[in-house]
Amino acid sequence: TQLLEQSPQFLSIQEGENLTVYCNSSSVFSSLQWYRQEPGEGPVLLVTVVTGGEVKKLKRLTFQFGDARKDSSLHITAAQPGDTGLYLCAGARGTSYGKLTFGQGTILTVHP
Amino acid sequence: EADIYQTPRYLVIGTGKKITLECSQTMGHDKMYWYQQDPGMELHLIHYSYGVNSTEKGDLSSESTVSRIRTEHFPLTLESARPSHTSQYLCASSERGTGGYEQYFGPGTRLTVT
Repeated sequence: TQLLEQSPQFLSIQEGENLTVYCNSSSVFSSLQWYRQEPGEGPVLLVTVVTGGEVKKLKRLTFQFGDARKDSSLHITAAQPGDTGLYLCAGARGTSYGKLTFGQGTILTVHP
Repeated sequence: EADIYQTPRYLVIGTGKKITLECSQTMGHDKMYWYQQDPGMELHLIHYSYGVNSTEKGDLSSESTVSRIRTEHFPLTLESARPSHTSQYLCASSERGTGGYEQYFGPGTRLTVT
């Protein structure tokens, strides 16, 4: 059973377009993180959201945590080829003591 | 900038060989993790440690073993490698920050067993 469902699994867009990636669960998480991974490298943390309804912005990236802390979204404005990569959401539960549950990832390709 | 290192980065080895994948971090983090990942896919937790002399199996069953004798070092060992072990292995460490437990990953070891 996949606790964190990410959609879409693949996304191929042109430079300048906007996109949204979704991360959904039936479980409540104490915090949710988004990572970006490039081929041949480890994931790099982009942001952590902890409060229901929280919105965080990182340049052209906007992250939102759902009010019930069961879902999250990542919106990219005016995508650039440098945004290409695997985007992973990961949730932490209050009793997990550091363990994260990862979504299956979204492979984003931005064409020049 | 996270300081977590993995060696080797790439390893091609024959079936039946014993291998050890090294992972070291210089941040003093108590918690460390090993994940297995196929290209472009999700991460599966195979081992984790909450501190020295503490190791637990993760959600994905693995024939590998780990040890945690020093805080900074968390090696993973396969006694007899098989083609089914071919994958990318990622090591991570974490600390509790304002946003909860945030994990820092090493660059990974891509293992190919022939």
